[in-house]
Amino acid sequence: QVQLVESGGGVVQPGRSLRLSCAASGFIFNTYAIHWVRQAPGKGLEWVALISYDGSNKYYADSVKGRFTFSRDNSKNTVYLQMNGLRAEDTAVYYCARSRGYLGPFDFWGQGTLVTVSS
Amino acid sequence: EIVLTQSPGTLSLSPGERATLSCRASQSVSSGNLAWYQSKPGQAPRLIIYGASSRATGIPDRFSGSGSGTDFTLTISRLEPEDFAVYYCQQYGSSPTFGGGTKVEIK
Repeated sequence: QVQLVESGGGVVQPGRSLRLSCAASGFIFNTYAIHWVRQAPGKGLEWVALISYDGSNKYYADSVKGRFTFSRDNSKNTVYLQMNGLRAEDTAVYYCARSRGYLGPFDFWGQGTLVTVSS
Repeated sequence: EIVLTQSPGTLSLSPGERATLSCRASQSVSSGNLAWYQSKPGQAPRLIIYGASSRATGIPDRFSGSGSGTDFTLTISRLEPEDFAVYYCQQYGSSPTFGGGTKVEIK
């Protein structure tokens, strides 16, 4: 069955870095775009970043542009979100989700991984 | 950026009642690229409706979506206990954005 499993979350000090991973299985990974979406405690959903099926195109929300880098390794069915210069406002559960094409509905989501930025 | 405004913020209803959730966009959503998601604590969000009115795989027919342009609606015809959750609308016709959510709670 389709699975997206996030990992790499944890507690990190402001200004430090963290790398999240999202491992996929149960579907043809290299035919789907992948997104990161986050949810701060008690808040709604915020789209963070998108990577195309082949990794050639990446888009970021203004709130993370220049600090976060999205990459994928289709040989490992895994995407990565490198998060640098973390701020308290980056504290959230981070979900990965897939879509057909760049701009399609997010038809399957992972369970999420919690990132806490605190001194 | 397209801003989505959902109303009401909270809907207090009893099982068996009808729920009507609204989502208004700050500008027209192209080609009806509007989705609805259900979110429960500790669970992955689940796609309910896409293309404004198409039900996702496995979604029961008590869920329906309608609307176009800037005004969209999610209707749950008869609430089941498992339907009490937070619902988010999303536009995916340009840089994706989500609405602030509507919580459907048990009255």
